[in-house]
Amino acid sequence: SQTIHQWPATLVQPVGSPLSLECTVEGTSNPNLYWYRQAAGRGLQLLFYSIGIDQISSEVPQNLSASRPQDRQFILSSKKLLLSDSGFYLCAWSETGLAGETQYFGPGTRLLVL
Amino acid sequence: AQSVTQLDSQVPVFEEAPVELRCNYSSSVSVYLFWYVQYPNQGLQLLLKYLSGSTLVESINGFEAEFNKSQTSFHLRKPSVHISDTAEYFCAVSIIQGAQKLVFGQGTRLTINP
Repeated sequence: SQTIHQWPATLVQPVGSPLSLECTVEGTSNPNLYWYRQAAGRGLQLLFYSIGIDQISSEVPQNLSASRPQDRQFILSSKKLLLSDSGFYLCAWSETGLAGETQYFGPGTRLLVL
Repeated sequence: AQSVTQLDSQVPVFEEAPVELRCNYSSSVSVYLFWYVQYPNQGLQLLLKYLSGSTLVESINGFEAEFNKSQTSFHLRKPSVHISDTAEYFCAVSIIQGAQKLVFGQGTRLTINP
């Protein structure tokens, strides 16, 4: 069966520090991968999605970037964190990325920028 | 562009009472509709979805939702809730054509009181 992992589970970082959040998927190949942010009291916002290695689309202009160095690994990064980057970051995957497919979410990383 | 409105940010109900969580969407093209649930400190998981066919869809744990095209709604209902249903519920849409990009509502926090 497929599983999705995210780490770390929680992170407290000072403003201006770098960030690296990792997501890996097991039990499937060539998944579509997604990064979402859930800010307090708000819904989920799609940040990035990827249909393959080094194929990444950004949905919103921001202080973050994403990379996919391996088929089942998706990394969210920042060179300098802002206070507004605080939130709950969720990684998700789907089989082919077709519109009706289910997305499967990881457990999330809670980021607090101070 | 698509948008999703969940009219209630919080819904408190007593155990064994019925509940309805409202969801309305806006889209100029046909969409698929989803309800995801997020239990405390966890990622999201699919509750149910509407792709085509019968406008009434059901989940394995007693929830159901009805697609109403004329009212552009996809309200979630359960005739009798349990303490374990306490969670945040997110309505989402994706357009039928093209890559899967979920647009989420802001979420409804369902609290079940004994």
